[in-house]
Amino acid sequence: AQSVAQPEDQVNVAEGNPLTVKCTYSVSGNPYLFWYVQYPNRGLQFLLKYITGDNLVKGSYGFEAEFNKSQTSFHLKKPSALVSDSALYFCAVRDGNTDKLIFGTGTRLQVFP
Amino acid sequence: GAGVSQTPSNKVTEKGKYVELRCDPISGHTALYWYRQSLGQGPEFLIYFQGTGAADDSGLPNDRFFAVRPEGSVSTLKIQRTERGDSAVYLCASSLGAKNSPLHFGNGTRLTVT
Repeated sequence: AQSVAQPEDQVNVAEGNPLTVKCTYSVSGNPYLFWYVQYPNRGLQFLLKYITGDNLVKGSYGFEAEFNKSQTSFHLKKPSALVSDSALYFCAVRDGNTDKLIFGTGTRLQVFP
Repeated sequence: GAGVSQTPSNKVTEKGKYVELRCDPISGHTALYWYRQSLGQGPEFLIYFQGTGAADDSGLPNDRFFAVRPEGSVSTLKIQRTERGDSAVYLCASSLGAKNSPLHFGNGTRLTVT
């Protein structure tokens, strides 16, 4: 069965600094990886997905994610954080044997002015 | 275009009552998912439909929970004999059905069981 881990409950970063939100996964076969963002009292919004063969994937709002097969990681990154990026971020994984999408426990990103 | 629509947005019910939560997916999306999210937690998978059939219902917590999608579009999540522990936000999502297709979520139904 697939699983996904987000080891940090919260990440704090100053505005203008780079940010990283970590995600590691475990799957059978090829991984299908996604990042979502959730603003207060809102539904989840799709940010980006892993595309086979691309180790760096670009998504919405200037976010990107780095895929590392040997470390089974798919970390979310942004070169320069904005206060408006403050939200809850979820990593999700689907393996090749199932259509079920499993979410991590989430990481709260706080960007300080 | 229209996104995923969930009704009602809020539902308060008494312990022991029956509730129905409705989801209208994006037109043309063949796959439909239900999740449950408690405060500060990640979405917990409940059930997934491909067309009219439940392809995976392994996340339904017990037999009080049931979901249908009779015509392959609108879906209803049904909870019998509600318990206080059922209180959560119930999220619906739809997708085109391919493994690399992202899910598009509705804003959820906040269920409170008193």
